Amino acid sequence: KAGVTQTPRYLIKTRGQQVTLSCSPISGHRSVSWYQQTPGQGLQFLFEYFSETQRNKGNFPGRFSGRQFSNSRSEMNVSTLELGDSALYLCASSLGRGAANTEAFFGQGTRLTVV
Amino acid sequence: DQQVKQNSPSLSVQEGRISILNCDYTNSMFDYFLWYKKYPAEGPTFLISISSIKDKNEDGRFTVFLNKSAKHLSLHIVPSQPGDSAVYFCAASGNQFYFGTGTSLTVIP
Repeated sequence: KAGVTQTPRYLIKTRGQQVTLSCSPISGHRSVSWYQQTPGQGLQFLFEYFSETQRNKGNFPGRFSGRQFSNSRSEMNVSTLELGDSALYLCASSLGRGAANTEAFFGQGTRLTVV
Repeated sequence: DQQVKQNSPSLSVQEGRISILNCDYTNSMFDYFLWYKKYPAEGPTFLISISSIKDKNEDGRFTVFLNKSAKHLSLHIVPSQPGDSAVYFCAASGNQFYFGTGTSLTVIP
């Protein structure tokens, strides 16, 4: 069974550009969550999608957006990149709502560097 | 507001000894708790979990303890091995997964 796949693994962008990251969840998983990890900040929750709808959103500016497709694949977009957006972006999939006591499974992450 | 807290950013332990990682939470509605292990440049991997109806769950060298009245859980690793050196995140399951800020464990050979 394939795990969570994130592409690309590494990305270098310049300030002001925009970027799109992709996440393919585990087959059968309908929930996809996105997290930002920076040194000393742990895993900061960005948003969660379930059945193509955003269900929860963290405290990030509107420059951070996402969407989920009918096959549960998800994309995250960051516009007008800032140096502080440099981080490891992690995607996690889970069975989602109604499935009690289940784990979230993470992808390898996308390392974004903004220069 | 951080609903799951790991107050120790780092921990060093001698190989063969016990490692104890702690986690506190604020929301009494959380009913499922998880620990993840993370190596640099990789995504976190699931380690062990516990339901709120239990107070202990054991899997090999790893044991998680839950104290609901104190809203506290801990992960015990015994004996600790150098390969256990990683960042450990605790998480609670509510309407989303809430993660702590992580504890970096170093096991000294």
